[in-house]
Amino acid sequence: SQKIEQNSEALNIQEGKTATLTCNYTNYSPAYLQWYRQDPGRGPVFLLLIRENEKEKRKERLKVTFDTTLKQSLFHITASQPADSATYLCALDGGATNKLIFGTGTLLAVQP
Amino acid sequence: DTGVSQDPRHKITKRGQNVTFRCDPISEHNRLYWYRQTLGQGPEFLTYFQNEAQLEKSRLLSDRFSAERPKGSFSTLEIQRTEQGDSAMYLCASSRHDLLSYEQYFGPGTRLTVT
Repeated sequence: SQKIEQNSEALNIQEGKTATLTCNYTNYSPAYLQWYRQDPGRGPVFLLLIRENEKEKRKERLKVTFDTTLKQSLFHITASQPADSATYLCALDGGATNKLIFGTGTLLAVQP
Repeated sequence: DTGVSQDPRHKITKRGQNVTFRCDPISEHNRLYWYRQTLGQGPEFLTYFQNEAQLEKSRLLSDRFSAERPKGSFSTLEIQRTEQGDSAMYLCASSRHDLLSYEQYFGPGTRLTVT
């Protein structure tokens, strides 16, 4: 079955630095991959989608890369701010119904 | 607010009781998903509706769980004879049926605690 791994430990970085989160997957070839942000007690919020034929996608301070050979996606937040502190979830498409298969998420803490 | 709404936000029930949750998706979205999330884990897919048709159910969805989406609008998720293991956040999400649009919009979730 599909397996998605994200950094299990929290990532602590200093304000202004670039945060890099990793998503690795096995036993699957997704047509696309998505990143979501989740704050405590709230539902996930969509951030970015990258398709299998795209190498990189950017949106403001966010950048996502997708390496289908390595089966890995990297999510970068540049010039990080304390307001970026949250859990970030990686999700793969789950087939024809477009259900999402989520990783466990990585907790990012940006220190002022 | 035109986002996805869920009701109630919190539910505490005793083991063995039945509970029902409601989800109101974004009005123009015809796809609706239910997920379950436990502490420290990502959401896990439970079931999917396209309009009023339930097209996929996870094996996580035991026969104590049932979901409906009458008239292709709001959806309900019912859990019968709740067990402590059912304690979790139940999330609803909706999306457009559009080849160019795959992102899902999540509601705030219903946190269920079974005592």
